[in-house]
Amino acid sequence: QKEVEQNSGPLSVPEGAIASLNCTYSDRGSQSFFWYRQYSGKSPELIMSIYSNGDKEDGRFTAQLNKASQYVSLLIRDSQPSDSATYLCAVNRYYKLSFGAGTTVTVRA
Amino acid sequence: DGGITQSPKYLFRKEGQNVTLSCEQNLNHDAMYWYRQDPGQGLRLIYYSQIVNDFQKGDIAEGYSVSREKKESFPLTVTSAQKNPTAFYLCASSPVFGGGGETQYFGPGTRLLVL
Repeated sequence: QKEVEQNSGPLSVPEGAIASLNCTYSDRGSQSFFWYRQYSGKSPELIMSIYSNGDKEDGRFTAQLNKASQYVSLLIRDSQPSDSATYLCAVNRYYKLSFGAGTTVTVRA
Repeated sequence: DGGITQSPKYLFRKEGQNVTLSCEQNLNHDAMYWYRQDPGQGLRLIYYSQIVNDFQKGDIAEGYSVSREKKESFPLTVTSAQKNPTAFYLCASSPVFGGGGETQYFGPGTRLLVL
């Protein structure tokens, strides 16, 4: 079992729709969770961090964490063409981050 | 401007050659990291350093070496023992190591290609 798994994608959504990204993790002791956005050929940039169960909203982005079910998700509301990128889920494990393979999102006009 | 710089942007390695990738940060972060990214894959940890003069192996350290002589610098050497070095190399830093301060910020990356 991989430490961090993301839905494989690619995910294609129309402009203005909601994109929903999911991530599950294997280490029940993980405490910190991060979503990064990576444009093609570029380095990852931090979008959100979440530490407690529930929802955390930042602009058009909402992160959701459920530690009992060991999943974390990211919702992108009112998707824009500029949101087209690969989204990486990262999970704190033994004070180091483990990354999922990423989900590629394409927002079509 | 605070940030992380990596150089060069592209690097070409010949067979049997050692090459060194530079990573510098002026964020005053204690911890620094090196990752490797292959197409369609997530980031894999090569080495990390919690504090100056200390570093630890990550998940795929074989064929790589690092040093941390200054807080702001964490160079990575890809040795000839690394048989498949072609990848995108990313350096990151965080304010502290673990304990809730582990949010990592990335440099722009170095793309290493084998001639």
